[in-house]
Amino acid sequence: QVQLQESGPRLVKPSETLPLTCTVSGGSVGNTMYHWAWIRQPPGKGLEWIGSVTYTGNSYYNPSLKSRVTISVDTSQNHFSLKLTSVTAADTALYYCARHVTQGVFGWWGPGTRVTVSS
Amino acid sequence: DIVLTQTPLSLPVTPGEPASISCRSSQSLLNSDDGITYLDWYLQKPGQSPRLLIYTVSFRAGGVPDRFSGSGSGTDFTLRISRVEAEDVGIYYCVQRIATYTFGQGTKLEIK
Repeated sequence: QVQLQESGPRLVKPSETLPLTCTVSGGSVGNTMYHWAWIRQPPGKGLEWIGSVTYTGNSYYNPSLKSRVTISVDTSQNHFSLKLTSVTAADTALYYCARHVTQGVFGWWGPGTRVTVSS
Repeated sequence: DIVLTQTPLSLPVTPGEPASISCRSSQSLLNSDDGITYLDWYLQKPGQSPRLLIYTVSFRAGGVPDRFSGSGSGTDFTLRISRVEAEDVGIYYCVQRIATYTFGQGTKLEIK
């Protein structure tokens, strides 16, 4: 079965760029059926969809984050990535990657990676 | 943007008793082109990633006990647990996917 694993820095300084990667095993990011998503959860708060990317690299984002977000896919490495620019303390969160079909449910999730924005 | 409002935000329940959570959308979640209502429910147990419970209003995901049920239409939806068990504790989220994705604020179910 497919497994997703987030990775990246645990600590990022304010105003810098947060880079995260989700490595997929037991499946391929090149599978035409699936989209690959990033979702986050600030401490003590609810879930927020950040955006998704298709196997071709087409991406779509939460309007509230769109100006700062880039999600890309690397089929040769079988992973997809998130870049969030100009981070502030409000970007401190548990970041999840997940898989879905077009307009579909989030059927598979990674365990999440905690990121803190602090100087 | 579609806003989902869940009530209550906190739900203490005695084991064996029923529980229900409401989710109200700022816009209809019915797609008139395909007739599908795009509202799902997830449960996030403590220390775990969220897991799909109910999709498209009322269909239980694989392995979900039949004590969980979903209902509703248009803008008003309900998740019901017929008899709460200790393993049901966690945060329940409704999610719309008619227009990208939005989560409700979450409802924390705890055992009395």
